[in-house]
Formats: sequence, structure tokens, C-alpha cells
Amino acid sequence: AQSVAQPEDQVNVAEGNPLTVKCTYSVSGNPYLFWYVQYPNRGLQFLLKYITGDNLVKGSYGFEAEFNKSQTSFHLKKPSALVSDSALYFCAVREGTDKLIFGTGTRLQVFP
Amino acid sequence: DSGVTQTPKHLITATGQRVTLRCSPRSGDLSVYWYQQSLDQGLQFLIQYYNGEERAKGNILERFSAQQFPDLHSELNLSSLELGDSALYFCASSNRGSREQYFGPGTRLTVT
Repeated sequence: AQSVAQPEDQVNVAEGNPLTVKCTYSVSGNPYLFWYVQYPNRGLQFLLKYITGDNLVKGSYGFEAEFNKSQTSFHLKKPSALVSDSALYFCAVREGTDKLIFGTGTRLQVFP
Repeated sequence: DSGVTQTPKHLITATGQRVTLRCSPRSGDLSVYWYQQSLDQGLQFLIQYYNGEERAKGNILERFSAQQFPDLHSELNLSSLELGDSALYFCASSNRGSREQYFGPGTRLTVT
């Protein structure tokens, strides 16, 4: 079965600093990987995906993610964090007929 | 706004009751997915429909059922409700080309 792990429950970063939210995956075959963000009392918003191709994937709101096959990782990054980036971030992997298996989520707190 | 709509936003009901959650996918999307988000279980896939047919089943209880109608909207029926069914229920939709899923704002179910 496919799975993803988010080792950090919470990440704290100062505004203007780079941020990284970690995700590792375990899949058989080629992984389809996704990042979603959830703001309070809102649904999940799609940020970016890796299907194939370039290992650096660019997404919405200035976020990007780096696919690393040797380390089975798909970390989410942003060069300069904003207070408004504070939210819950989920990594996910596709399994079977497109259903998503989600990680446990990482709460990102950006301090002014 | 993802284009996926869910009603109602909030639902409060008593144990043993039955409720129906409704989802309208984005225009043109044939696949509908249901997910449950709870504090103890995280985000879990429940069931997927594609163009009216059940496509995949996840950790969906026998007390729960779903269907997708000819106009592609979907309903999730939850019966004999228990306190532990209190959660946020999300609907998502996708089309074959894009792979990513777009989530609705969710229905918050509280069972008292």
C-alpha cells in the first residue's frame, strides 16, 4: 500500500525566512505526489503535484516542492515565508484509481 | 473557490439518526470522492464514484453509503449515527486529465 509520512507536527518560521515542510513517501511503482493546504474552517486547496518530469515542481502562492527519488522525499519549500502562509499542510500520494492517501499534516506557524 | 459545493455547512444531530450530505462537483468533472477528517483518524478516503458508478472503496463503514446521480452530484448517507462519526466530511472532484482533486468546503457533522 502507498503511504506518506510527515515527521513534523508543527514547523515554526519567522516571516521572510525560507520554510520547508517535510514529506517522505513509500510507494510501489512511480509515485504521484501532491501537496494541499488547509486554512481554518476551509476545505483543502491544491498547491502542487509531481507526476513525472522535473524534480522541482512549482505551485501556487510561491510554493515549490522537490522530488528526491533516492531519499523518497517530496519536501515543500518556499523561499520567503509570509504570516498568511500559516495553515495546515498535507502531503498526499495517489493510490489505485486516483484516491488520495494523506499524511497526518504539518501545522506551519509563521511569526511576524 | 474550488468550484465544488457541499451542503449543508454544519449539521448537528443525535445518536441513532440518519443524515444526507450533498456534493456538486466542478463543472465537467466525472469523479467524486468522499473523505472524512477527524482528530483521531486524520484525513481518510471513504469512497469514489466515476460517472455514476462506484469506483473504489476505502474505510467506509457499512452504516455509510453513497451514490452519484446522472447529473453527477453525489450524496453521502450516514445512518445509525454514533458520537464517533462527528467529523468534517469533504467531497472532492477531478477529471481524468488533471489527476489533482479539488475539494469542497466540507460539512461539519456533530453527533450529540
